[in-house]
Amino acid sequence: QQPVQSPQAVILREGEDAVINCSSSKALYSVHWYRQKHGEAPVFLMILLKGGEQKGHDKISASFNEKKQQSSLYLTASQLSYSGTYFCGTVSSNDYKLSFGAGTTVTVRA
Amino acid sequence: SAVISQKPSRDICQRGTSLTIQCQVDSQVTMMFWYRQQPGQSLTLIATANQGSEATYESGFVIDKFPISRPNLTFSTLTVSNMSPEDSSIYLCSVGGGGSEQFFGPGTRLTVL
Repeated sequence: QQPVQSPQAVILREGEDAVINCSSSKALYSVHWYRQKHGEAPVFLMILLKGGEQKGHDKISASFNEKKQQSSLYLTASQLSYSGTYFCGTVSSNDYKLSFGAGTTVTVRA
Repeated sequence: SAVISQKPSRDICQRGTSLTIQCQVDSQVTMMFWYRQQPGQSLTLIATANQGSEATYESGFVIDKFPISRPNLTFSTLTVSNMSPEDSSIYLCSVGGGGSEQFFGPGTRLTVL
């Protein structure tokens, strides 16, 4: 079952922050975050394995609340290069297959 | 990390025909995955391909429509059979996953007329 992502879209000015949320109805083994630019393949950002784990990639970080089966991606001091569609992918403890959310389109403007 | 190549990168096909997409990985992997991304949509898993066994298909995808081969640990093919315009999508192969990073190939952009 597909994880639920919110919001669907967000528009930012350079330097602003944003949060993208991802939740699942299944018990999760891991959460993956990807960014896809138009016409390109998804690019891996980070994976979170443990409940409460937080990771960072430049000024993009994420957290994973295993009990709530939720993850959030934080875009801090956004840059123009952050524009794209962000997908969360969840791997359930049942089948270890990666299922993707519907995506969040982020537009960063100068 | 894994480097994945796909052929062709794009194709335009007539309805009723078939197209075989190749996926080559630069290292040996146990599982390979095939995804479809319809225009403006998310990625949907078509099937999981293990070397030496039949591919496992997700709900809504069948072997007759999407036959998969996995002859060795670095290569797989996906065939889109008897195509219709609804099959116009990007098809991506992928390796890894579970508790580690999942890598994606560059994708094959298919247009069916």
